[in-house]
Amino acid sequence: AQSVTQPDIHITVSEGASLELRCNYSYGATPYLFWYVQSPGQGLQLLLKYFSGDTLVQGIKGFEAEFKRSQSSFNLRKPSVHWSDAAEYFCAVGARGNTPLVFGKGTRLSVIA
Amino acid sequence: DAEITQSPRHKITETGRQVTLACHQTWNHNNMFWYRQDLGHGLRLIHYSYGVQDTNKGEVSDGYSVSRSNTEDLPLTLESAASSQTSVYFCASSEGSGAYNEQFFGPGTRLTVL
Repeated sequence: AQSVTQPDIHITVSEGASLELRCNYSYGATPYLFWYVQSPGQGLQLLLKYFSGDTLVQGIKGFEAEFKRSQSSFNLRKPSVHWSDAAEYFCAVGARGNTPLVFGKGTRLSVIA
Repeated sequence: DAEITQSPRHKITETGRQVTLACHQTWNHNNMFWYRQDLGHGLRLIHYSYGVQDTNKGEVSDGYSVSRSNTEDLPLTLESAASSQTSVYFCASSEGSGAYNEQFFGPGTRLTVL
């Protein structure tokens, strides 16, 4: 079965600084990988996803993520963080077939002036 | 616009009572999911359904049940509410088969069991 780890529980960055959120997965083949964002009091919204092909994927709100098979990672990046990016971020991994996604425990992002 | 709704948004109940949380989607999606979100645990899957009359247990299904009588609805029932079930509950849906399909989430229901 697949599993996912988000090593950082809480990250604080200054507005305008770059951001990288870490995600490591465990799965025997190439997985489906997702990043979701949850704003306070809201449900989750998909930021981006990777299935195959180009390992650098672009998402909404200026986010991107890079799939690195050798490191079993799918880290989320943004070159310049805005105060509105403060939220909880979840990485999720899916196996080939129709088994449900497995979500990480999330990383809470705080943005300071 | 298609959407997924949950009701109630907030619920306070007592230990031992039966509680049903509603989830309704107008996407016409085959797949529906229930999660609970707790501090330190992230999102954990409770039950899921891949179509009418289909239900499956997730990671934390004990004490919960679901039924799928139509495409649009997947109600979640807590048979006898316990304080450990105090949580925020999210419903989600996705189309077709395959884990690569985006899940669309409802706004959540905050349940408090006293």
